[in-house]
Amino acid sequence: DTAVSQTPKYLVTQMGNDKSIKCEQNLGHDTMYWYKQDSKKFLKIMFSYNNKELIINETVPNRFSPKSPDKAHLNLHINSLELGDSAVYFCASSDREENEQYFGPGTRLTVT
Amino acid sequence: LAKTTQPISMDSYEGQEVNITCSHNNIATNDYITWYQQFPSQGPRFIIQGYKTKVTNEVASLFIPADRKSSTLSLPRVSLSDTAVYYCLVGDNWVDSSYKLIFGSGTRLLVRP
Repeated sequence: DTAVSQTPKYLVTQMGNDKSIKCEQNLGHDTMYWYKQDSKKFLKIMFSYNNKELIINETVPNRFSPKSPDKAHLNLHINSLELGDSAVYFCASSDREENEQYFGPGTRLTVT
Repeated sequence: LAKTTQPISMDSYEGQEVNITCSHNNIATNDYITWYQQFPSQGPRFIIQGYKTKVTNEVASLFIPADRKSSTLSLPRVSLSDTAVYYCLVGDNWVDSSYKLIFGSGTRLLVRP
């Protein structure tokens, strides 16, 4: 069984469009995260949600908004996409008492 | 904010022990040290985590000196399948709600036959 899943795996879209990436975890974890990995392989946290409450909010553009309908899901909505948004986006989850994070397979977003 | 510094790349041969060191001079009292492994086109995978001294699991050991300003990931007898990028992460989610978790640039390990 897949622990953390993301859809879609690849996303190609044009500048100015609005898109969403979905994430689901079946580990029963309390916290979920979104990361952005750029072409230089730097991984930077974007958001962290714990029981539907935002606990870490990086200085990302407000075009990015996380939405968590329940503890098992954390979706990422992106409005007015820009070329610089092209990257691989990873979802992850962890148990509240531990720092070990389980990552999804990633979504490669290409903005043209 | 604890910043980590790692070597960009390392080469090794099958069967050798590989040690990757991470510097984190600004580590805070409550920070844990965590290492992740990432293969191409996959998400990072947890390897090991520690707070001080030495931690060992079935795949690696983590050595942390008393001052905790550095840590060393030790991979015993590497194989070709250990070729990957290894990230050191320092931080604690729960001390400060605005705490930033930033992975470093990682160390690209190449294991040769």
